[in-house]
Amino acid sequence: GENVEQHPSTLSVQEGDSAVIKCTYSDSASNYFPWYKQELGKGPQLIIDIRSNVGEKKDQRIAVTLNKTAKHFSLHITETQPEDSAVYFCAASIISGGYNKLIFGAGTRLAVHP
Amino acid sequence: DGGITQSPKYLFRKEGQNVTLSCEQNLNHDAMYWYRQDPGQGLRLIYYSQIVNDFQKGDIAEGYSVSREKKESFPLTVTSAQKNPTAFYLCASSAQGAPWEQYFGPGTRLTVT
Repeated sequence: GENVEQHPSTLSVQEGDSAVIKCTYSDSASNYFPWYKQELGKGPQLIIDIRSNVGEKKDQRIAVTLNKTAKHFSLHITETQPEDSAVYFCAASIISGGYNKLIFGAGTRLAVHP
Repeated sequence: DGGITQSPKYLFRKEGQNVTLSCEQNLNHDAMYWYRQDPGQGLRLIYYSQIVNDFQKGDIAEGYSVSREKKESFPLTVTSAQKNPTAFYLCASSAQGAPWEQYFGPGTRLTVT
């Protein structure tokens, strides 16, 4: 079945460094790739997304890249800050039985140390 | 404020009891979803509903049931048939025309002993 693999599962960086999280998807028909940030005890929050007709998208310190040929997409966080510490999930859209769904990666726990 | 509310935040039940988790949204979204989250795993889809009075099973629907009698509400019942019900449950919604832009509630942590 469809799946999304996410790496690494944990990531520890020093404040100011960059962080990169990578995902691979299996369904070649996927065309929407959101990223969610989940803080402790809270629900995930959509932070950025990218569509299949775009190779890169930036929003301040975060950027996403997409390689449709390789079925890879990545989240890049520059100049990390302690408040970036959270669990990050990637996801890919699928259409199953005529209905729209998201398949999520297993998550990356990012720790930014002052 | 527009958003999704889930109640309660923490819920404790004895094994063998059914329990219903509440999810309400005032975003005027057509679609609603229930996910289960376990440590070290991604979000797994339990049930989803695209419109009122219609819903579909997700990837792990066994032991769960839902209803969608109102656009704003999508309650989830965890039945005694669910073998491992202790988890963090998340409700989400999305607008028609943007089905993949899902907005999540704060979650309910259910503990069954």
